[in-house]
Amino acid sequence: DTEVTQTPKHLVMGMTNKKSLKCEQHMGHRAMYWYKQKAKKPPELMFVYSYEKLSINESVPSRFSPECPNSSLLNLHLHALQPEDSALYLCASSQDRDAGYTFGSGTRLTVV
Amino acid sequence: GESVGLHLPTLSVQEGDNSIINCAYSNSASDYFIWYKQESGKGPQFIIDIRSNMDKRQGQRVTVLLNKTVKHLSLQIAATQPGDSAVYFCAHRGGSNYKLTFGKGTLLTVNP
Repeated sequence: DTEVTQTPKHLVMGMTNKKSLKCEQHMGHRAMYWYKQKAKKPPELMFVYSYEKLSINESVPSRFSPECPNSSLLNLHLHALQPEDSALYLCASSQDRDAGYTFGSGTRLTVV
Repeated sequence: GESVGLHLPTLSVQEGDNSIINCAYSNSASDYFIWYKQESGKGPQFIIDIRSNMDKRQGQRVTVLLNKTVKHLSLQIAATQPGDSAVYFCAHRGGSNYKLTFGKGTLLTVNP
């Protein structure tokens, strides 16, 4: 298995909703990432987990809450989002710092 | 701070021609570079990577060149095909962390 799987592929949520994005990989990678990508822009790093511990938080608002239950899973919990949070949320994983980062297909999030 | 930029936001080529996509970076500590291809509605797809101890690396129809002196990275695609049409991002990692920073992206259009 050489893929990063993200679910759901599409999500529409209201500003008062609570939802979660899920990411899974079975490549044995020990680092996992959340990126946010707006239309026609490059992906921007949000969080990095290394060996199941949060190692980087790029000053992301607390309405985004990451969780790494185990080495294969990465979640992003969403609460009280704003319409400007609508974007493509990408999960990635890598074996270590110097290995190619594998991306999932993303979750297209729309906040209404 | 770090920045990774591109000279050309769009590139249009004829099928069969060679394509060259350029990228400039500013962090002299950058030591690992990746080129990604992103098609509409999909996540970034790894193309090729190169470490700072190398100047050139070749893959199938692709070559990455790294000039550390001027902090410049390029991706060469030989015999460009319509399926190569996509947005291409360079990305780099600098220092001893897992943060991968993306450039602005170049839209490559291949005309039949």
